[in-house]
Amino acid sequence: AQSVAQPEDQVKVAEGNPLTVKCTYSVSGNPYLFWYVQYPNRGLQFLLKYITGDNLVKGSYGFEAEFNKSQTSFHLKKPSALVSDSALYFCAVRDKGNAGNMLTFGGGTRLMVKP
Amino acid sequence: NAGVMQNPRHLVRRRGQEARLRCSPMKGHSHVYWYRQLPEEGLKFMVYLQKENIIDESGMPKERFSAEFPKEGPSILRIQQVVRGDSAAYFCASSPGPWGTEAFFGQGTRLTVV
Repeated sequence: AQSVAQPEDQVKVAEGNPLTVKCTYSVSGNPYLFWYVQYPNRGLQFLLKYITGDNLVKGSYGFEAEFNKSQTSFHLKKPSALVSDSALYFCAVRDKGNAGNMLTFGGGTRLMVKP
Repeated sequence: NAGVMQNPRHLVRRRGQEARLRCSPMKGHSHVYWYRQLPEEGLKFMVYLQKENIIDESGMPKERFSAEFPKEGPSILRIQQVVRGDSAAYFCASSPGPWGTEAFFGQGTRLTVV
């Protein structure tokens, strides 16, 4: 079975400060990892993914994430937060060997960036 | 290239009625996924379909819920005899192939059962 944990329900940062949204995962094999963002009353927007290769992945809107196999983590980061980054962030995982091909999502972390 | 289109955006049903949610995947996408999001919760996988086939329905409730993705037309998620607990946002996603490529989500259908 595969699972994702986002240990923080909410993260608050001041505009201009760096932000980190944590994600840890569990899969039996090798993971595909994803981050999505959801704005109020909207669908999910893809931010970035890790498939293979470089452990540091760069995505949309200045976000990046680092794949750490030993810690089974895929934390989302941004050097300088914007108020407009305030949204709900979801980490997701799929086992490469999972024939069912569905993504398993974490419970989400609400990011609040204060001016 | 239009994104994933879901309709209706909002749906109100009385208890006992049927709800039909439609999802048109992006052009060229043959894989469709349905997820349910309860208020203040994450997304829960429901069903994964390819054209004319249900690949994985492990997340579907055993009763009242069904899904299809016909050769022609949109994917349909059908909920019979709705109850208040079915009130949620239902999201559809599509991808051209397996999940190694990112999936694209629709804006969701918000079902309210009164």
